[in-house]
Amino acid sequence: QQQVKQSPQSLIVQKGGISIINCAYENTAFDYFPWYQQFPGKGPALLIAIRPDVSEKKEGRFTISFNKSAKQFSLHIMDSQPGDSATYFCAASTRDNDMRFGAGTRLTVKP
Amino acid sequence: DTAVSQTPKYLVTQMGNDKSIKCEQNLGHDTMYWYKQDSKKFLKIMFSYNNKELIINETVPNRFSPKSPDKAHLNLHINSLELGDSAVYFCASSQGGGRNTIYFGEGSWLTVV
Repeated sequence: QQQVKQSPQSLIVQKGGISIINCAYENTAFDYFPWYQQFPGKGPALLIAIRPDVSEKKEGRFTISFNKSAKQFSLHIMDSQPGDSATYFCAASTRDNDMRFGAGTRLTVKP
Repeated sequence: DTAVSQTPKYLVTQMGNDKSIKCEQNLGHDTMYWYKQDSKKFLKIMFSYNNKELIINETVPNRFSPKSPDKAHLNLHINSLELGDSAVYFCASSQGGGRNTIYFGEGSWLTVV
């Protein structure tokens, strides 16, 4: 079964808007939560990651919010740009680097 | 220089054939993976090797056999190909376990006809 649940499946945002993608997990052995970005025809690439000992991490326009008690985390993309249009995957990993991915969110940012 | 390279990038083959996908990483990592991405973009881990030793072996048909001749290479051999094997296969690598970035190749697009 899917160990990391991601929503929405697709998202359309206007340029300058905020994109929000949510993920939830059950396995408490997960202790590393990265987000990967995938452009068409390319492999996924790490965008930003968070450890469960912090509730938020920000890198430029990208922010991860993490709620350990709820076992949920989300990606916020501020001032979304057309170049951000891609598929985003949340993931969760154990210490053995057994990384499980969410189902992906296809983000389209309209100019 | 490509960090994780896999060949071929595109492969069209008939049902029942046997094919291989090769992967090499020049990052000096000790862990390599194969992931399968289906038409709905879902990424699923198939195998993970650490220092040539199989660590993760998901529920994958035994028609799929990974082989790691050394730390820098992890090849995937598929026997008796079926239509449902059509997907993009990604090779990836990371250094060690735990909280480490996984670096993906650009994918091998397999189409079985």
